[in-house]
Amino acid sequence: GAGVSQSPSNKVTEKGKDVELRCDPISGHTALYWYRQSLGQGLEFLIYFQGNSAPDKSGLPSDRFSAERTGGSVSTLTIQRTQQEDSAVYLCASSPGPPLGQGNGELFFGEGSRLTVL
Amino acid sequence: RKEVEQDPGPFNVPEGATVAFNCTYSNSASQSFFWYRQDCRKEPKLLMSVYSSGNEDGRFTAQLNRASQYISLLIRDSKLSDSATYLCVVLNQAGTALIFGKGTTLSVSS
Repeated sequence: GAGVSQSPSNKVTEKGKDVELRCDPISGHTALYWYRQSLGQGLEFLIYFQGNSAPDKSGLPSDRFSAERTGGSVSTLTIQRTQQEDSAVYLCASSPGPPLGQGNGELFFGEGSRLTVL
Repeated sequence: RKEVEQDPGPFNVPEGATVAFNCTYSNSASQSFFWYRQDCRKEPKLLMSVYSSGNEDGRFTAQLNRASQYISLLIRDSKLSDSATYLCVVLNQAGTALIFGKGTTLSVSS
């Protein structure tokens, strides 16, 4: 497809289980971002990939969260031992590449993966 | 202090009204600023960049005041389709990520 694709669109899991969320960015986009949005909250930055490396992972809230990107394309966000506070919409975005800045601030977001931890 | 702060609203205005949203940012070294729009249960989309000299795109005008660390968005002649949440966005100092405010909700009624 032409846009950023995320799967699953909805995931309900039990507390303590691991989950994997997948993002397929726009073809040719070298930069990839993960954000999460909790109810009533703004978008919270999690991690940024340039190619397969992650120059900025400062937003990952704990060591239960990890992400990888392979082949400069698909990325997977993994949450281990999920907690109820992990419930949120996890949004992936891509952009053609660095640098972000004036005149180049467009991130193309997917529709998100809604995670509910019971 | 949060990096990007906005009045959450909601702003409820009639069609045709002019409405302004404000945003403050905490990092004086920030260089790049944007407004995004997010419709209910949809992903955010870029509305416009904010340039130092101010810029206009149709009915939308964005202004930046670096001295006060303040960004504004003015919408003239509001349309029903303008109903959405407007997100104030600042590029982080490392240049690696966009930092989003919580958003201001606008509801335009007929």
